[in-house]
Amino acid sequence: DAEITQSPRHKITETGRQVTLACHQTWNHNNMFWYRQDLGHGLRLIHYSYGVQDTNKGEVSDGYSVSRSNTEDLPLTLESAASSQTSVYFCASSDRTGEAYGYTFGSGTRLTVV
Amino acid sequence: SQKIEQNSEALNIQEGKTATLTCNYTNYSPAYLQWYRQDPGRGPVFLLLIRENEKEKRKERLKVTFDTTLKQSLFHITASQPADSATYLCALGGNAGNMLTFGGGTRLMVKP
Repeated sequence: DAEITQSPRHKITETGRQVTLACHQTWNHNNMFWYRQDLGHGLRLIHYSYGVQDTNKGEVSDGYSVSRSNTEDLPLTLESAASSQTSVYFCASSDRTGEAYGYTFGSGTRLTVV
Repeated sequence: SQKIEQNSEALNIQEGKTATLTCNYTNYSPAYLQWYRQDPGRGPVFLLLIRENEKEKRKERLKVTFDTTLKQSLFHITASQPADSATYLCALGGNAGNMLTFGGGTRLMVKP
């Protein structure tokens, strides 16, 4: 069965370290998204991609970067982790007509920056 | 700026009753609106989509309405069950590519 997986599920890192969160989907979806979810803010878009070699900034992109070298993967990198980046991170994917079928989300990565 | 509001307070109802959740938005003209369910420790799961030219959509015990004049969507769960307890998120899309903007979600608790 097709799926979208995120790893790790939990991560503790120190301030200033570079951290990469993985997202892998086998739906063959063109569109992939990274959101963070915090109490009081809901889901906020960090970065998104509409296909290989395409990346775009979302609402809260400062301090984050992504790259899309193939259809299946969109890793999210925190260049220099800060305590304000402690959050739950969700990756999602959709096909070109995502409006009709919605997003498929991963199970999330809980990141703690100490 | 764009704003999507959902009741931040939990909605508590008795099993068998109809749950009604509200999603209001401002400074936005969405082409469609989606509803998702999120369980603790899990990612959101897509439930329903309704387009701007549709007034109402049904799927089993779920019903969604969309009033573009009031800038509001109502999400109903009829004959609610304890298994319906979860957080429900509304999301607006269609203005900028395939991106969705999410509301903060409303937690629903159905008591037996």
